[in-house]
Amino acid sequence: NAGVTQTPKFQVLKTGQSMTLQCAQDMNHNSMYWYRQDPGMGLRLIYYSASEGTTDKGEVPNGYNVSRLNKREFSLRLESAAPSQTSVYFCASRLGKLAGGSEQYFGPGTRLTVT
Amino acid sequence: KNEVEQSPQNLTAQEGEFITINCSYSVGISALHWLQQHPGGGIVSLFMLSSGKKKHGRLIATINIQEKHSSLHITASHPRDSAVYICAVSSWDSNYQLIWGAGTKLIIKP
Repeated sequence: NAGVTQTPKFQVLKTGQSMTLQCAQDMNHNSMYWYRQDPGMGLRLIYYSASEGTTDKGEVPNGYNVSRLNKREFSLRLESAAPSQTSVYFCASRLGKLAGGSEQYFGPGTRLTVT
Repeated sequence: KNEVEQSPQNLTAQEGEFITINCSYSVGISALHWLQQHPGGGIVSLFMLSSGKKKHGRLIATINIQEKHSSLHITASHPRDSAVYICAVSSWDSNYQLIWGAGTKLIIKP
């Protein structure tokens, strides 16, 4: 099993450009998450999907959109990138729908720089 | 005041020392998670616990629900244990999300 995979690993964007970060998991997990981690800071939840077909805002959703394409894939889109979105983005998944029910598995991260 | 607080923020120790990292929380929880983030950035789940104690190799996690406190211990620490250790809880009020601590940066010197 590959676990949670993310593409790309690195990306540089100019202000105003758009891009989609891809995430896929092969563990048949129900819930998927997108986090951002700024230098020296903790993880902040952007959006999550508790099950296929549902998505919900997290702590910092502004400037982002998500799509739960199917049970395996959960993408994050930046429509008009801003320097404030420079960060490392992590995708994660868990088996259950509830946060207390199972461990969370993380992808390797995407390092995004917006100039 | 943060709902999940970790101490210390930074910890430097010599190889072989016994390490303790603490996590206190102020909400009712269904489970507490300990995770490890390596210097390269990868994040790995170490433990999920709702009561008592769990052990995996040299790592031990304990939780006291009444006191709303958890500890992560590392025995016979090694430089490869150097990482950021993160505590997170799932609260009864926010069933789908985790509430994250700020992390403890651990450096083990040879």
